[in-house]
Amino acid sequence: GQSLEQPSEVTAVEGAIVQINCTYQTSGFYGLSWYQQHDGGAPTFLSYNALDGLEETGRFSSFLSRSDSYGYLLLQELQMKDSASYFCAVKMRDTGFQKLVFGTGTRLLVSP
Amino acid sequence: DTAVSQTPKYLVTQMGNDKSIKCEQNLGHDTMYWYKQDSKKFLKIMFSYNNKELIINETVPNRFSPKSPDKAHLNLHINSLELGDSAVYFCASSQGEGEAEQFFGPGTRLTVL
Repeated sequence: GQSLEQPSEVTAVEGAIVQINCTYQTSGFYGLSWYQQHDGGAPTFLSYNALDGLEETGRFSSFLSRSDSYGYLLLQELQMKDSASYFCAVKMRDTGFQKLVFGTGTRLLVSP
Repeated sequence: DTAVSQTPKYLVTQMGNDKSIKCEQNLGHDTMYWYKQDSKKFLKIMFSYNNKELIINETVPNRFSPKSPDKAHLNLHINSLELGDSAVYFCASSQGEGEAEQFFGPGTRLTVL
């Protein structure tokens, strides 16, 4: 089987930096994705790490350590619109096919 | 232009009824999915189709029957609806099988009374 763990909720103020951690246990691991979902909306892709290290895309960065089965999403210069749920998802192979398995999500609340 | 669209957006129905949800993608992707998101926002894959062929069926009750008439369409029919089927159902697509970047439709909120 597989498991992913994320904090259930994180709070921060506008302009701050926040890190959302994700630890996983799975076989057939390819990489780690991050998705953002606003209330009432659809999940939208943010980033993907297949290799160890940091990937930066604007205010968002994502990190992966395969040896530690750990990754994080770093959000800088927080804005109110960043209030949303953030999901890590492992890309893995299972019964011969690749799929994404999502974590339980972290609700980020950004206050003024 | 909407990339992945679903209809209907909301579905309210009685236990025991049969209902369908339709999904279409105009991205030219080969792979489509159905996900279920429960009240705790847990997002779980149900089915995956690659080039109209079913490749993933995640131990979903056989009351759920997906159908892919072509690469751009994936429908979900649910028989004998139960209270526990209440959830948001998302269709998604990706260029290939199990890609890390998937494009989600707006979701269908199903409420079973």
